[in-house]
Amino acid sequence: QVQLVESGGGVVQPGTSLRLSCVASGFTFSYYGMHWVRQAPGKGLEWVAVMSYDESDKLYTDSVKGRFTISRDISEKTLYLQMNSLRAEDTGVYYCAKDYSDNYVMDVWGQGTTVTVSS
Amino acid sequence: SYALTQPPSMSVSPGQTASITCSGDNLGNKYISWFQQKPGQSPVLVIYRNAKRPSGIPERFSGSNSGNTATLTISGTQAMDEADYYCQTWDSSSANYVFGTGTKVTVL
Repeated sequence: QVQLVESGGGVVQPGTSLRLSCVASGFTFSYYGMHWVRQAPGKGLEWVAVMSYDESDKLYTDSVKGRFTISRDISEKTLYLQMNSLRAEDTGVYYCAKDYSDNYVMDVWGQGTTVTVSS
Repeated sequence: SYALTQPPSMSVSPGQTASITCSGDNLGNKYISWFQQKPGQSPVLVIYRNAKRPSGIPERFSGSNSGNTATLTISGTQAMDEADYYCQTWDSSSANYVFGTGTKVTVL
């Protein structure tokens, strides 16, 4: 079945970098767009970034533009989120999610990986 | 930027109908999706394209969207439906996916 497994979270200091990974299985990875969505402790969901299936479009929420980069390795079936210049407000659980093509929604989510930015 | 507003919480008795609203400017012109999130778990898609149910989602979940308000309706609410619910849409003007503020549904 379709599965997404995130990793790479941890505790880091403000201003540093972290790279999250999301390994996909159960579907043809190159055929689908992929998202990153985060959730601060006790708060709601916040969309972070999306990559289209052909990598022609990479979109970001305003608060991470210029700091975060979404990318993928098709051969490894892995989605990445490179996070630079981390801030305390970037703290939360980061989910990767598969795009439900042409429906403007995410249909399958991973279990999430936790990022804590603290001095 | 585009915003979706939900009531923070609501309660419903078992077997009754829960209606969760999501408000946004001209929301009826957009597609709305709904997610269910139970404590410590990842979100689960329960409605997309306003009223479509993914496979495996019970028929008691239904959706509508018109004017400035979308509604997720849970008919015959069960204890297992107790969760946080989020609406979500795509805002082409800002090229952003947007989530609602979330509604905590308590079944008691």
